[in-house]
Amino acid sequence: GAVVSQHPSRVICKSGTSVKIECRSLDFQATTMFWYRQFPKQSLMLMATSNEGSKATYEQGVEKDKFLINHASLTLSTLTVTSAHPEDSSFYICSARDNRVGYTFGSGTRLTVV
Amino acid sequence: EDKVVQSPLSLVVHEGDTVTLNCSYEVTNFRSLLWYKQEKKAPTFLFMLTSSGIEKKSGRLSSILDKKELFSILNITATQTGDSAVYLCAVGSIGGNKLVFGAGTILRVKS
Repeated sequence: GAVVSQHPSRVICKSGTSVKIECRSLDFQATTMFWYRQFPKQSLMLMATSNEGSKATYEQGVEKDKFLINHASLTLSTLTVTSAHPEDSSFYICSARDNRVGYTFGSGTRLTVV
Repeated sequence: EDKVVQSPLSLVVHEGDTVTLNCSYEVTNFRSLLWYKQEKKAPTFLFMLTSSGIEKKSGRLSSILDKKELFSILNITATQTGDSAVYLCAVGSIGGNKLVFGAGTILRVKS
């Protein structure tokens, strides 16, 4: 089946630094990937839709200069949290759409900003 | 604005019980409804429903969609402690790529 690999699974960084999270589709090509954020005991909140070869589409209220998305190839999208602050600490999950099985999620990245 | 509402928000049952989780939606140009199970990490896919009245089944789990009344149910029979998780319902629309998620139902199965 479709597999999406997300790295790192856990990261701790200092306030003010930037963190990059990678999302790869391993056995299919994903022209579109999605980035979600999830706070404890809450549902997935879509942050942005990542389109291969073009700019990402951000949801209302999501700062595009803070959450940089790059979808350079059909199998890789990256999310960079720039100048991270403690309030950016969260669980970030990517998802890719595959025509065969629908939507497949990565394993998530727990970001802690100290 | 597209909306997905799940109920109950949380549920505690004993092993062996049967549970029914509900998902109602309002979405423009409905395409599909999906159920996911989320334990400590990312959600795992359970079912995708596109047609009314056709039950999908996988072991002790089953789900059905009613496109007239705009809702779906997820049934779990003979629950086990391993069924404890958050169950998420999401809806996709025609012409759109993204999914809209409900808040989830937290299920806890006690032994």
